[in-house]
Amino acid sequence: EAGVAQSPRYKIIEKRQSVAFWCNPISGHATLYWYQQILGQGPKLLIQFQNNGVVDDSQLPKDRFSAERLKGVDSTLKIQPAKLEDSAVYLCASSLDPRRTEAFFGQGTRLTVV
Amino acid sequence: AQSVTQLDSQVPVFEEAPVELRCNYSSSVSVYLFWYVQYPNQGLQLLLKYLSGSTLVESINGFEAEFNKSQTSFHLRKPSVHISDTAEYFCAVSPTGNQAGTALIFGKGTTLSVSS
Repeated sequence: EAGVAQSPRYKIIEKRQSVAFWCNPISGHATLYWYQQILGQGPKLLIQFQNNGVVDDSQLPKDRFSAERLKGVDSTLKIQPAKLEDSAVYLCASSLDPRRTEAFFGQGTRLTVV
Repeated sequence: AQSVTQLDSQVPVFEEAPVELRCNYSSSVSVYLFWYVQYPNQGLQLLLKYLSGSTLVESINGFEAEFNKSQTSFHLRKPSVHISDTAEYFCAVSPTGNQAGTALIFGKGTTLSVSS
């Protein structure tokens, strides 16, 4: 079974530029999560999708971050414009059924904003 | 709301020594409990989980954790560690029953460093 795929693995941009990350969850997984992991901290939820609907985006900085999950499969997370404090690893995870709460994580995208 | 506290940021041990990584949580509702491991340059992998039933849960590589409801703890233990156990370990919780709020809430992580 293929795992959660993310791209790119690494990205370096200048502040005020825009960037997008892509995630392909495990086939058949209805729930998709985006987490932000700042160095030295645990992952923090940014947004949770159930199929193509948003379940929880309470911690997403909506003035600069946006995410979509068209057709309930792949998802993209965008930052525009980026700030220095956005430097982090962005993790995508998926789960078959939210009530089973076993999430499978991708390898993440490491973003450096200079 | 839920929160997770991992009491040690770094735990250095010698190979074949026992280890305990401590985790406490705070929640006003029932929660599921998890330990995830992150090896260098790899993604998070589920190590073990407590959903219900026996409060002692085990992983396939010798780790175990015990859910203590009265102390709101879920400490991770291994009686004899290997060099290959060197990694970052994350304790996490998620609320039970509420479909809209099932996302994992993580602690800050504990770096386990095993040396020979």
